[in-house]
This record gives sequence, structure tokens and C-alpha cells, in this order.
Amino acid sequence: AQKVTQAQTEISVVEKEDVTLDCVYETRDTTYYLFWYKQPPSGELVFLIRRNSFDEQNEISGRYSWNFQKSTSSFNFTITASQVVDSAVYFCALSEAGYNFNKFYFGSGTKLNVKP
Amino acid sequence: ETGVTQTPRHLVMGMTNKKSLKCEQHLGHNAMYWYKQSAKKPLELMFVYSLEERVENNSVPSRFSPECPNSSHLFLHLHTLQPEDSALYLCASSQDGKVGVNIQYFGAGTRLSVL
Repeated sequence: AQKVTQAQTEISVVEKEDVTLDCVYETRDTTYYLFWYKQPPSGELVFLIRRNSFDEQNEISGRYSWNFQKSTSSFNFTITASQVVDSAVYFCALSEAGYNFNKFYFGSGTKLNVKP
Repeated sequence: ETGVTQTPRHLVMGMTNKKSLKCEQHLGHNAMYWYKQSAKKPLELMFVYSLEERVENNSVPSRFSPECPNSSHLFLHLHTLQPEDSALYLCASSQDGKVGVNIQYFGAGTRLSVL
């Protein structure tokens, strides 16, 4: 079974629209970490945020915000007033503390197209 | 610039060739990783090195051979590859290879095409 599910394969929006990228995870660990990465066409994955399982506070960074809800095992990412430069593939990832090394489980990614 | 540099950025090779991918990190990290990213598939972890010791080999075929001479450098030696090995190969590093909290920082990848 997939540990991280990103059900939205591709989303297209028009510039200035808000968009939410969904991430649902599965783990039996009580201590775990959640991450979001952005992969622009250049290829490298760019780290956006890390969350630990004990901190359910939502976080806002500029136009980006993250909604972590343990009750629904979700860690959703919202971009407010989207811009063309936000076009990329976004990955959600899970890391479990109990593993013997720093293993990430990545979702399949959501491709975001922001049109002018 | 994430501090992880991969070379070459693009590589085309025949099935009988031998080539190597190189990764270098300038972050002072102790762990390095190789991932394979194929179209429409999740990132696949291939190898993990922590303090130059291989801690994970994720059932990768022997035609892929990793080498980690020190904590700053990681190589992936390729030989007799198959067309299905064509993919983007990503290198990453993290402060520690044995703790789940660590952020992995990625390079821009090598786009490999096997003819």
C-alpha cells in the first residue's frame, strides 16, 4: 500500500487563483515527519517545508500555507494568488522515525500548471 | 543552488557502454542517496550511504554500482544498461543518514537515455 497518496495528478489554474494540493499519508508510527518539495522543470527537488507529527499548527510562508490534520492523515498545501513561476511538480513525502535510516516515502507528485 | 552538484546533466549511452554519474555535496552532510525518477512513477530510492557505509541497497540490479569514497562524493557506475533504465537520476544528501527528521537536499539530476 502506498504510504503517501497525492490523488491529483495534474492541476491547471489561471494566475492569481488559489490552489490546494492534497496529500494523504499512512503510518503506524507516532513520531514521523512530513515534507513538501517543489520540482521545477530544471529537475532538482527544492525543499519547502518539514513538519513533525507533534506539531499540528498550520504554517504560512508568504503565499504558501500548509494544513496538517492528524485526524484525517492529511498534509495539504495551498498556494494563494498563484503565479506562473509556481508551475512545477510538487511532491509530498513521509519519513518515519522508527526506521533504521532516513527513508523518505514520496507521493507520485502533482503537476501544477499556472497559466497567465 | 542547494549545495548538491550532479554531473553530467545529460547522458546518452548505448547498452554496451560504461559510464559514471557523479554527485558532490558542499553542505558538510554525512549521508548521501541515489534516487531514480521515471515518468509517471514515484521516486525510487536506490542506495543510501551514511558515513561512507552503504546502509541500503533497494533491490537494485547489479548493472548499477555505487561508490562513496568520502562523505562529500557519490558515484553511480553504469554498465550494460537497458532502455528501461532511461530516467532522471537524482542525488541527495542529509545531515545524518539514520534519523528520520533530516531534510534531504537534492541535486538537479542527470537525465540518462539508454539507446
